[in-house]
Amino acid sequence: TQLLEQSPQFLSIQEGENLTVYCNSSSVFSSLQWYRQEPGEGPVLLVTVVTGGEVKKLKRLTFQFGDARKDSSLHITAAQPGDTGLYLCAGLFMEYGNKLVFGAGTILRVKS
Amino acid sequence: ETGVTQTPRHLVMGMTNKKSLKCEQHLGHNAMYWYKQSAKKPLELMFVYNFKEQTENNSVPSRFSPECPNSSHLFLHLHTLQPEDSALYLCASSPNGRVSYNSPLHFGNGTRLTVT
Repeated sequence: TQLLEQSPQFLSIQEGENLTVYCNSSSVFSSLQWYRQEPGEGPVLLVTVVTGGEVKKLKRLTFQFGDARKDSSLHITAAQPGDTGLYLCAGLFMEYGNKLVFGAGTILRVKS
Repeated sequence: ETGVTQTPRHLVMGMTNKKSLKCEQHLGHNAMYWYKQSAKKPLELMFVYNFKEQTENNSVPSRFSPECPNSSHLFLHLHTLQPEDSALYLCASSPNGRVSYNSPLHFGNGTRLTVT
């Protein structure tokens, strides 16, 4: 069992659809980061959430941090082919000395 | 243009070969990292260097040997690898050796390694 579970593992949708991906743990994060990794490239930071209940928006992307700081979600509105990639969440866990732990990621494919 | 550059982008090597991966960061950071990325698995932290000193070795087999001559350069020397070592090897940097909410990782584009 992984410390950080991401779901779904794979998502294939049509351009214009909405989607949500999830990042869950049984442990509390001190903060959580979302990265996007496009094919052939390294992960790039999208956002960091720190406060329980926090909501951050980045154009069509909405990030939410759970009140108990054990889960997070990423919602994409009107997905575009350029959103295709691997979405990774990474949490800093207080009980593990604030080490950064990554989830296995959600592969998103947006078809035009 | 990425602030973290990795070479080569692709590498195919036999199990008896010796090769090296190179990483260079142009961000003025003091910490550098090696991660292994395999399909459907979380990124695995291998090594951390902070101010040229190794601060973390995550139980990595000795066939992987890191070298950090200065804060801008990081190498991963490879010898007698196994086919299961085939993966994407990512280098990253951060301002200091303690990743925090305001000090995230900056990744290179990786070296795709295939061991035959």
